[in-house]
Amino acid sequence: GAVVSQHPSRVICKSGTSVKIECRSLDFQATTMFWYRQFPKQSLMLMATSNEGSKATYEQGVEKDKFLINHASLTLSTLTVTSAHPEDSSFYICSAPQAGTRPSTDTQYFGPGTRLTVL
Amino acid sequence: AQSVAQPEDQVNVAEGNPLTVKCTYSVSGNPYLFWYVQYPNRGLQFLLKYITGDNLVKGSYGFEAEFNKSQTSFHLKKPSALVSDSALYFCAVRDGNDMRFGAGTRLTVKP
Repeated sequence: GAVVSQHPSRVICKSGTSVKIECRSLDFQATTMFWYRQFPKQSLMLMATSNEGSKATYEQGVEKDKFLINHASLTLSTLTVTSAHPEDSSFYICSAPQAGTRPSTDTQYFGPGTRLTVL
Repeated sequence: AQSVAQPEDQVNVAEGNPLTVKCTYSVSGNPYLFWYVQYPNRGLQFLLKYITGDNLVKGSYGFEAEFNKSQTSFHLKKPSALVSDSALYFCAVRDGNDMRFGAGTRLTVKP
């Protein structure tokens, strides 16, 4: 199947600093990528939809000025957590659909995730 | 809005026994249903999906799932569990770009 990578896999930062997480589709192009956040022992929560060539679409309750998303190319989306605080510590996962006939039926391929710890 | 429910937080089975991980869904239109597995400290891996057609869907690693429209269920099954199947399993429903995940079920297969 298709491969999606994330970098870094783990990051520890001080409160107030910014952290950038990269999501790459390695062997296919993705005009759309998704960013999720996973809390311990909980399911994934969709944060935003990253669109190549246009602004990201954020879910209700997600601060777009805090979680900056840039879909720089057909294979790269970045999530920047600005002015990080301890409550931003979480497991962040991206996914990209390998285009099929309809978005609803596309198989999502997930990155391995990035563990962010804010001290 | 669509949603999925995984009624069991934890499922324990003995190696070699059949396993079932339950999922029920709620959608307004045609359901597009998915199962994903998450191994420790790893991202999610696609197992299988139901779009249309046969109610029994076969997927990766010997897993299969049965779509039951009358019971609005999409239970994940495997005839003979392996210890390596121990992981966190997520059911998901998709409507366009909106994907909703269940809370996850932790499967533990004991030798």
